[in-house]
Amino acid sequence: DGGITQSPKYLFRKEGQNVTLSCEQNLNHDAMYWYRQDPGQGLRLIYYSQIVNDFQKGDIAEGYSVSREKKESFPLTVTSAQKNPTAFYLCASSMSISSYEQYFGPGTRLTVT
Amino acid sequence: GESVGLHLPTLSVQEGDNSIINCAYSNSASDYFIWYKQESGKGPQFIIDIRSNMDKRQGQRVTVLLNKTVKHLSLQIAATQPGDSAVYFCAETEKNNRLAFGKGNQVVVIP
Repeated sequence: DGGITQSPKYLFRKEGQNVTLSCEQNLNHDAMYWYRQDPGQGLRLIYYSQIVNDFQKGDIAEGYSVSREKKESFPLTVTSAQKNPTAFYLCASSMSISSYEQYFGPGTRLTVT
Repeated sequence: GESVGLHLPTLSVQEGDNSIINCAYSNSASDYFIWYKQESGKGPQFIIDIRSNMDKRQGQRVTVLLNKTVKHLSLQIAATQPGDSAVYFCAETEKNNRLAFGKGNQVVVIP
């Protein structure tokens, strides 16, 4: 069963702690993306990766970091420097960076108190 | 997620009626548009896409219309069902091959 998985579905952290969100895909896609979704707003791009060992900042990269050591995996770390980390985080992938059709994971709801 | 639908325009539709969801886009150079459906607590699902050289495309129970003159996109859902209740949002391509997403519209189907 091909697709994108994100874990966990819900995550709770105390302010000041770093937290890493998992994203795995078995679609053999080269490109992967992380978005943040807040109520009443469109998806905003945090980071994206065109290929293994490469990644680029999106529109709201401050306070976040990523790695792309394997094609299948694109974990996102929300650092303590992120001023407003509570949000719904969505991972997506596409065949290549020039392919517009992106497939989304189920999302992780992060709550920081 | 669960709260995505808050603060969004809401369309209430009687089951069996047709739904029309609208989207205004900003980039006149966009060459590709996508409609996504997002159910509560889930990730967005691709519904249908359309290229800028077309003005209409039909799928199963859905039709997308593109009016480039006024930069307007619409999604029509025929014979709306309870399972169609979700947030629907459009996406357009940007210059750097990225997608820009709209805020979305909440559709509520009344049985």
